[in-house]
This record gives sequence, structure tokens and C-alpha cells, in this order.
Amino acid sequence: QKEVEQNSGPLSVPEGAIASLNCTYSDRGSQSFFWYRQYSGKSPELIMSIYSNGDKEDGRFTAQLNKASQYVSLLIRDSQPSDSATYLCATRVDGSGNTGKLIFGQGTTLQVKP
Amino acid sequence: DGGITQSPKYLFRKEGQNVTLSCEQNLNHDAMYWYRQDPGQGLRLIYYSQIVNDFQKGDIAEGYSVSREKKESFPLTVTSAQKNPTAFYLCAISDRRNQPQHFGDGTRLSIL
Repeated sequence: QKEVEQNSGPLSVPEGAIASLNCTYSDRGSQSFFWYRQYSGKSPELIMSIYSNGDKEDGRFTAQLNKASQYVSLLIRDSQPSDSATYLCATRVDGSGNTGKLIFGQGTTLQVKP
Repeated sequence: DGGITQSPKYLFRKEGQNVTLSCEQNLNHDAMYWYRQDPGQGLRLIYYSQIVNDFQKGDIAEGYSVSREKKESFPLTVTSAQKNPTAFYLCAISDRRNQPQHFGDGTRLSIL
């Protein structure tokens, strides 16, 4: 069973701090990785995608990928109360076996306290 | 999300009844997906379609059926065989299978 694991939290950080969310995956064939943000009662919204080892920055968000260790993380700098949400990690196997199917973790709930 | 319309927003099913959830898109994307989300859990794939008139089962297809007669539409039917249908149902689309997926606003299904 291909799995994506996240700590369900809640992860609580003070406003202005760096929030660090982590995700591990079991399928070494995974080549694409995504972070979605889901506010309570709403649908997931794509915030970051990463495909190669290293860091990818977009505004206050940085995604980090380490394929050798099979983990992907999301850093949120200068956390704001509006960042309070559940963050879903998802992986995809690309190449000839690619069906477009995403494997999701259960999500980490982030609480940013003013 | 812009270009993806799911309806209705809320749906109630009676015992033994089939219900159909609508997913329509106007972005001309090839791939469409149906996921189910239960409280405190991640998303699980029900069915997906890469092209018109073709679709494949996902991880939890039992008790569900789909059709893809038009590129812009991918309706999901929750049949009476699905004994635990209460969940948040999400439709997603992507331009091609190697592109990120974007979600509609979802449909909440409950049992009466």
C-alpha cells in the first residue's frame, strides 16, 4: 500500500513565526509532490508543487524535497492567522506508469495564534 | 475554483436511493477525477478519466459509477450499494495527467 504520512497536529505557532510541515512517502517511484491548503469546510487549494530535489520558494512559502530520504516539507515564513488551515501533502508517480493519480496524506492542521 | 462547477453544494440521500453529483468544467482540460474525503482524513480516489468515453476505477470505486460522454462533464452516481456515503465529494481536473490538479468547491452528501 503506497502511503503518504503526515502528523495530524494541530501544529500551533505564534504569529510571525516559521511554520514547518513535514510529509514522508513510501513509494520511491513518486516524482511529483504537491502541497494543498484546505480551510475548514472548503475544498483544497494548490499552493506549491515541486518536482526535483532541493528548495522551491514562492512568496512566504518554501517547499523542500529530499527524494533519498523520501520526505517533503513546507515552510511558511512570517505565519499569519489567515494561514490557519489543514495542509495536505500529495504525491504522484510519473513516467510510463502515470495515471495522474494523487496519493494524499491525512493532512496537518496549522493554528497561527495572534 | 474558477472553471470547475460542482453541484449541488449539499445533497441528502434516502435509504435505497441513487443520487448523482455533477462536475462541469469549461477549461477544456482532458483529465477529471472524483475524490472522497471523510472527516480528519485525506482524499481517496473514486474514479478518474483521462479522455472522453474512457474512465478507470480508483481505490474505492465500489458503490459508485461514472460516465464521461462529454469532455466538460464527469458526473458521479452514488448508488444504493454504497452503504456509507456520507462524505465530502470533490471533483478535480488537470490539463494533462502530468499537470497539477485543481479542485471544485465540493458536494457534501448526507443520509436522511
